[in-house]
Amino acid sequence: AQSVTQLGSHVSVSEGALVLLRCNYSSSVPPYLFWYVQYPNQGLQLLLKYTTGATLVKGINGFEAEFKKSETSFHLTKPSAHMSDAAEYFCAATGGSYIPTFGRGTSLIVHP
Amino acid sequence: NAGVTQTPKFRILKIGQSMTLQCTQDMNHNYMYWYRQDPGMGLKLIYYSVGAGITDKGEVPNGYNVSRSTTEDFPLRLELAAPSQTSVYFCASTIGEGTFNQPQHFGDGTRLSIL
Repeated sequence: AQSVTQLGSHVSVSEGALVLLRCNYSSSVPPYLFWYVQYPNQGLQLLLKYTTGATLVKGINGFEAEFKKSETSFHLTKPSAHMSDAAEYFCAATGGSYIPTFGRGTSLIVHP
Repeated sequence: NAGVTQTPKFRILKIGQSMTLQCTQDMNHNYMYWYRQDPGMGLKLIYYSVGAGITDKGEVPNGYNVSRSTTEDFPLRLELAAPSQTSVYFCASTIGEGTFNQPQHFGDGTRLSIL
């Protein structure tokens, strides 16, 4: 069984500030990890994914995430927030099946 | 590229009515999924399908039915709609071959209110 925990249902930052969205997982098998973004009235879109190899993964729109096995974490970061980054972000994991486990989501609020 | 297409985008139903939410994908994906999204609760898996003719229950299947007669289509049927089924419904698909590192592709959702 696996689980995904996103710490903080809402994260608020100022435009230009660092964005940090936290994701921790538990899995009995090596996981594949994903971050998705959901803009208002839209479906989820893939931001980035970790499979194997390099632990620092770069995604679209300047986001990146680092896989830390020792901490069972896959936190999402962006050096400088933009107003257009305001959205819901979901962390997900698969391991051993094609049925992913999703976190509950974190709403990113960006203040001007 | 159309990807995953859901219809309708919005619908209001009365309690006890039934309806079918349509989902089609043009990527020749094997796996298809139906989720519901409620505020603060993330995504809950209702049903999924591993290929034409094969479906299985997810976490919250009660009150719903699905069928998969073709690779492209995966409709979700609500029988006897109840207020608890007010939600946003998302259809998704993935290749479902090889390793488990393939992302899901999502439709834009159907917003359903039951009054």
